[in-house]
Amino acid sequence: EVQLVETGGGLIQPGGSLRLSCAASGFTVSSNYMSWVRQAPGKGLEWVSVIYSGGSTYYADSVKGRFTISRDNSKNTLYLQMNSLRAEDTAVYYCARDYYDSSGYGALVYWGQGTLVTVSS
Amino acid sequence: DIQMTQSPSSLSASVGDRVTITCRASQSISSYLNWYQQKPGKAPKLLIYAASSLQSGVPSRFSGSGSGTDFTLTISSLQPEDFATYYCQQSYSTPPVFGPGTKVDIK
Repeated sequence: EVQLVETGGGLIQPGGSLRLSCAASGFTVSSNYMSWVRQAPGKGLEWVSVIYSGGSTYYADSVKGRFTISRDNSKNTLYLQMNSLRAEDTAVYYCARDYYDSSGYGALVYWGQGTLVTVSS
Repeated sequence: DIQMTQSPSSLSASVGDRVTITCRASQSISSYLNWYQQKPGKAPKLLIYAASSLQSGVPSRFSGSGSGTDFTLTISSLQPEDFATYYCQQSYSTPPVFGPGTKVDIK
């Protein structure tokens, strides 16, 4: 059974850093495309970042240069290092596994339960 | 970046109603369009991928159509468990932008 469990959220002051973890089971993180998606309180979904199986990474403009996505193959875990945090980064952060069918159509099929990050003084 | 819009932003409907939600992309995305359902306090759930393919385990009352720039999610007979917020997402290019969402609540 595929399972994703995010940890690491909490209250952090503006300008601070936080690292989110997403422990995966039932599949191999390094063999899949893995994404982070966030949702500010009462708002919609915002894609944050993706890491491809080959290691390439991409970021939303809103976090580029401040956030870093990575993975630890030995721990089968995905990470999101968040630096220079701002109030507008306050959100529930979800990790998700991308799935691509044989025709190349992709979607976020498996999601974690989310972890709340609150940036406030 | 490709921009996604949805209409309406919210709607009120009754159990048994036929519900249609529209999603529009700012440029052609072929059939690279997904639909998700989200209930309060829960993670999103994939309903439809590739514009019209029903994800495994999703009830057949959900259907998707469209290609290019205009897409539709239809719920043929609304059930109590369908009251939720629905998001479209393009998977044609990075960033895979989500639409702003459509909240479906009880009339």
